[in-house]
Amino acid sequence: QQQVKQSPQSLIVQKGGISIINCAYENTAFDYFPWYQQFPGKGPALLIAIRPDVSEKKEGRFTISFNKSAKQFSLHIMDSQPGDSATYFCAATIQGAQKLVFGQGTRLTINP
Amino acid sequence: GAVVSQHPSWVICKSGTSVKIECRSLDFQATTMFWYRQFPKQSLMLMATSNEGSKATYEQGVEKDKFLINHASLTLSTLTVTSAHPEDSSFYICSARTHGSPTYGYTFGSGTRLTVV
Repeated sequence: QQQVKQSPQSLIVQKGGISIINCAYENTAFDYFPWYQQFPGKGPALLIAIRPDVSEKKEGRFTISFNKSAKQFSLHIMDSQPGDSATYFCAATIQGAQKLVFGQGTRLTINP
Repeated sequence: GAVVSQHPSWVICKSGTSVKIECRSLDFQATTMFWYRQFPKQSLMLMATSNEGSKATYEQGVEKDKFLINHASLTLSTLTVTSAHPEDSSFYICSARTHGSPTYGYTFGSGTRLTVV
């Protein structure tokens, strides 16, 4: 019940296209859903995050869509660029529980 | 924004020796720090959670005597890999949480690549 399932494992998108990564969770107590971007040899960096009281959050080219009833959330990267090539992790946590539960990660490659 | 500095970025040590990794919050007080281990092409695996001034809470299967964690101040946590062996070679990442932040404030360090030879 503490798991966050992420798909796909890897994704190749052409430059200018839309990259979509999906995550699903079981624990309805989760109340914070961040996405992290990780480049090789570096630590994860927060990209964008959402609370379950909103269905969508947009920051620049990055959008989180959140479906509370389906217990799913997704990351959309519009106008994908080669510089977006990285591994993306979704995560979830419960206020007060401290721990982040990570998805398995998606290796995104943007072809020029 | 919040910055977490992790050192060293990479280290090579001989089997049987100990290695210390430092994690510092530069511009905020980190009430809680987390230590992760990441294998190639895999997700982050939480090793332990430490609150300032308290003993660390280790995840199931993590040897507390091998991975010593100290969180003596609100800006510094250390992970010491004792009697390191080649199977301890991995990418170790710390994370610090800013208490009370509306976004929970999880900030990650840049990671440490440990190679035990």
